[in-house]
Amino acid sequence: KAGVTQTPRYLIKTRGQQVTLSCSPISGHRSVSWYQQTPGQGLQFLFEYFSETQRNKGNFPGRFSGRQFSNSRSEMNVSTLELGDSALYLCASRFRDHDEQYFGPGTRLTVT
Amino acid sequence: AQKITQTQPGMFVQEKEAVTLDCTYDTSDQSYGLFWYKQPSSGEMIFLIYQGSYDEQNATEGRYSLNFQKARKSANLVISASQLGDSAMYFCAMRELHSGGSNYKLTFGKGTLLTVNP
Repeated sequence: KAGVTQTPRYLIKTRGQQVTLSCSPISGHRSVSWYQQTPGQGLQFLFEYFSETQRNKGNFPGRFSGRQFSNSRSEMNVSTLELGDSALYLCASRFRDHDEQYFGPGTRLTVT
Repeated sequence: AQKITQTQPGMFVQEKEAVTLDCTYDTSDQSYGLFWYKQPSSGEMIFLIYQGSYDEQNATEGRYSLNFQKARKSANLVISASQLGDSAMYFCAMRELHSGGSNYKLTFGKGTLLTVNP
């Protein structure tokens, strides 16, 4: 069974631009969560989607948004990029509510 | 609020020896789950082991075991017979177990960088 996939793997953007990252969960998994990882703040929870509904959201500004499609694939969008948005963005999926999460390889975003 | 503390920024171990990575946690919930993940330099987070707060026995998965001491709120990871491929960042994480799983999110520690020397 294929793992969680994320595209693109690497991305370079300029301040003020917007970016969309994509995540395809493991087949059959309906929950997708997003995390941001930076050297200073570590791993921080962004949001979780389950059956196309956002169920939980971390403490991030409204510039960070996401959505989930009927096939469970998820996208996250960051608008008006700032230098501090440079990070590794990790997506994770799970099958049932109390299962462990499986992570994808991440998208490394660099904002210049 | 949940908090995970990993006090060892870096650890060194000789190949084939055992190593313990420390993790303490703080939560007011009675029901929670504890995880360890490994993150190689490639960036992907690899699930290693899970311990539920009501599990009476310590979790084990191959060379990984979790030394769970509930009263001390610690969940240390023990890696036996270290291998060169074990060199990576290791993260301890906690999840609250609300009914229905509607509040599923992981709170991570800062991580421990493990280096296995030949």
